[in-house]
Amino acid sequence: EDKVVQSPLSLVVHEGDTVTLNCSYEVTNFRSLLWYKQEKKAPTFLFMLTSSGIEKKSGRLSSILDKKELSSILNITATQTGDSAIYLCAVERNTGNQFYFGTGTSLTVIP
Amino acid sequence: GAVVSQHPSRVICKSGTSVKIECRSLDFQATTMFWYRQFPKQSLMLMATSNEGSKATYEQGVEKDKFLINHASLTLSTLTVTSAHPEDSSFYICSALDSYQETQYFGPGTRLLVL
Repeated sequence: EDKVVQSPLSLVVHEGDTVTLNCSYEVTNFRSLLWYKQEKKAPTFLFMLTSSGIEKKSGRLSSILDKKELSSILNITATQTGDSAIYLCAVERNTGNQFYFGTGTSLTVIP
Repeated sequence: GAVVSQHPSRVICKSGTSVKIECRSLDFQATTMFWYRQFPKQSLMLMATSNEGSKATYEQGVEKDKFLINHASLTLSTLTVTSAHPEDSSFYICSALDSYQETQYFGPGTRLLVL
């Protein structure tokens, strides 16, 4: 059964800390894995990963996909209070263009 | 397993017709459901918040007469795209809020193609 699992469910860190968020999946006909940041309304797109081992980077955020382990991590270095949000992982299937979302990791960064 | 389902997963229709998309929460009751539309480069736009037993709250710029939302039960919300046009072709995703767990579960999405 197709599913996406994120861990931890929630995380509280201090400003300046580095965090690693995990996403593991069991999805047939894998096409891509996407990371989103959800603060208020709609999730904001962060990264799309299709190839294993290639790190994508945007400022203090980076992500990498491991197709062998069926997982991905999202790293945030030097966290700021503005990083507080729910981080969602979604896996897209080749067939039918369907998405499977995880339930997200709630990150709280305290000053 | 999936806790939120969408039906259909894919639909092709002619311009001018109406299309109904269903969003169901399978294992919990959801007084609140959300409808999103996916735009290029994978960003999601919140279209409306659907509340059971009351009118949906639409985001600015979303035509409520074009995108009709009905949340008639605690497990079902429907989005009807009325008089669909090719520019309505997109990927529509719903999510349901499990207020007890304070968790939002997303559906797998519906691909709409208007010819």
